[in-house]
Amino acid sequence: EDQVTQSPEALRLQEGESSSLNCSYTVSGLRGLFWYRQDPGKGPEFLFTLYSAGEEKEKERLKATLTKKESFLHITAPKPEDSATYLCAVRRGGSEKLVFGKGTKLTVNP
Amino acid sequence: ETGVTQSPTHLIKTRGQQVTLRCSSQSGHNTVSWYQQALGQGPQFIFQYYREEENGRGNFPPRFSGLQFPNYSSELNVNALELDDSALYLCASSKPTSGALQETQYFGPGTRLLVL
Repeated sequence: EDQVTQSPEALRLQEGESSSLNCSYTVSGLRGLFWYRQDPGKGPEFLFTLYSAGEEKEKERLKATLTKKESFLHITAPKPEDSATYLCAVRRGGSEKLVFGKGTKLTVNP
Repeated sequence: ETGVTQSPTHLIKTRGQQVTLRCSSQSGHNTVSWYQQALGQGPQFIFQYYREEENGRGNFPPRFSGLQFPNYSSELNVNALELDDSALYLCASSKPTSGALQETQYFGPGTRLLVL
């Protein structure tokens, strides 16, 4: 069974304090690892898709990386507006569904 | 480009009632997926519709059913509501899968359902 584990469950940072969120996964035949950002009471907002080990993608202060067992979302010099829950999801080949982790709740204090 | 929209935004029902939630997919997308997100959890896949046919289903009972219309909009119907059905219901649309790459799913704002 496909599994996604995200850590830590919650992370509190000071503005400008860089850190990383982890997403460990077990899936047979990975055909995409997805990162989403979710604000309270809202739908997930797409950030990145990674397809193969060694791949990296960047967007503003965020950088996502992928290995064969895990993905990291690196946040450089975060701002309070980066506060949100970050969700990781995987999809296996031939499957329609995304399997999500429980998310990491990030709080950035000014 | 119009994003994914859902209605209603909030809904309160009592146990045993039936509910219908609606979703309009993003322009150019013909695949719709539905997810249930309980508080503090990640979204759980309910089912997906492609060309008006169910194209995969998660571990949800038959009282969860759906429809997709020719304009690619979709409905989620839940019969005999239970207290545990209280959750945020998310709709996501995507383009059809092309080869080995999996098309990204774009989510709507969700419908918050409370069952009393």
